[in-house]
Amino acid sequence: EVQLVESGGGLVQPGGSLRLSCVASGFTFSSYEMNWVRQAPGKGLEWVSYISGGGSTIYYADSVRGRFTISRDDAENSLYLQMNSLRAEDTALYYCAREGSTIDYWGQGTLVTVSS
Amino acid sequence: AIRMTQSPSSFSASTGDRVAITCRASQGISSYLAWYQQKPGKAPKLLIYAASTLQSGVPSRFSGSGSGTDFTLTISYLQSEDFATYYCQQYYTHPRTFGQGTKVEIK
Repeated sequence: EVQLVESGGGLVQPGGSLRLSCVASGFTFSSYEMNWVRQAPGKGLEWVSYISGGGSTIYYADSVRGRFTISRDDAENSLYLQMNSLRAEDTALYYCAREGSTIDYWGQGTLVTVSS
Repeated sequence: AIRMTQSPSSFSASTGDRVAITCRASQGISSYLAWYQQKPGKAPKLLIYAASTLQSGVPSRFSGSGSGTDFTLTISYLQSEDFATYYCQQYYTHPRTFGQGTKVEIK
């Protein structure tokens, strides 16, 4: 069974940093592309970042480019999102999501709240 | 970025109804279109990919159609468990983009 478990969310002040983690199980993690997708409270889904299997190709949404860094550790079956210079508009539930033909499995999310 | 526009944004329906949600892409995306269902407090669930391919385990009352810029998700016989928000998403190119969502409510 595919499982994705996120952690690392919490309350942070504007301008602060957080590092999100996602541990994967139930599939060969290194063979899959991975994404972070977020959802602000009461709002729709917003794609944040993508990393290819092996990590050679990375993309970011314009809204986070230069502030967020995606990475992976295939030996640890883990995906990460380093978030710096956080803003109030980054407040959201952050989902780790596997990409097969498309995004096919999602974790349950970790909540990031940016507020003073 | 490719803009995905869903319609309607919300509507009310009754169990047993046949309902359709449309999704329009701002440029052609071939068949690189997925549909997701999200219930309150839950992660999205993949229903359909490649515009019309049903994900394993998804009931056959769900179907998808379209290619290019215009796509449709149809639920042939609405069940109580289908009341949820539905999103389309293009994976033709990066950045991946989602529609704004369509909330299906009980009439």
